[in-house]
Amino acid sequence: ELKVEQNPLFLSMQEGKNYTIYCNYSTTSDRLYWYRQDPGKSLESLFVLLSNGAVKQEGRLMASLDTKARLSTLHITAAVHDLSATYFCAVDRRGAWASGSRLTFGEGTQLTVNP
Amino acid sequence: EAQVTQNPRYLITVTGKKLTVTCSQNMNHEYMSWYRQDPGLGLRQIYYSMNVEVTDKGDVPEGYKVSRKEKRNFPLILESPSPNQTSLYFCASSFIPGLGTDTQYFGPGTRLTVL
Repeated sequence: ELKVEQNPLFLSMQEGKNYTIYCNYSTTSDRLYWYRQDPGKSLESLFVLLSNGAVKQEGRLMASLDTKARLSTLHITAAVHDLSATYFCAVDRRGAWASGSRLTFGEGTQLTVNP
Repeated sequence: EAQVTQNPRYLITVTGKKLTVTCSQNMNHEYMSWYRQDPGLGLRQIYYSMNVEVTDKGDVPEGYKVSRKEKRNFPLILESPSPNQTSLYFCASSFIPGLGTDTQYFGPGTRLTVL
């Protein structure tokens, strides 16, 4: 059974600071997603990581994937209040080049950025 | 506007009364999927569909049915709802995962309460 663990589950940080959210998973996969969810809202796709060493950046967020370590990170640079949300990683047990998608989500990291 | 729509958005029902939650997308996506979100458990995949008439079970399919008669629609059917199906449900769609166009678009969610 694929297990996906995020840490921390709750993160309170000040504006302007940097921090990293970790996503560990238990079986081999080379397809990983990051999503953002605002309170009471739906999920928004942030990044799709499809190979070992993949790195993607959008604004103050940067995601990376290390398939050997079974680890993905979401790094936040110089946080601003607008980044407050819950962030989920999801791992596809079928891998990058298989058709179909069987996603297992982490519990989510609730991020609060304080002024 | 490209979107995934779900109806109803909120539903309170009683045990055993059959219900259907509709999901429709206007992006010509082949892949569609249903998830449920529960506190502390993240999102769990219920069913997914790779194309018309092609469906498969996710991690928690018990008590649910789906059909994919048209490309744009993927209804979720609860034949005999029970209180443990009280949850927040999301439908999502994308182009075929594994071809590099993996971004999943999520619907707004349906909050279901089964009494």
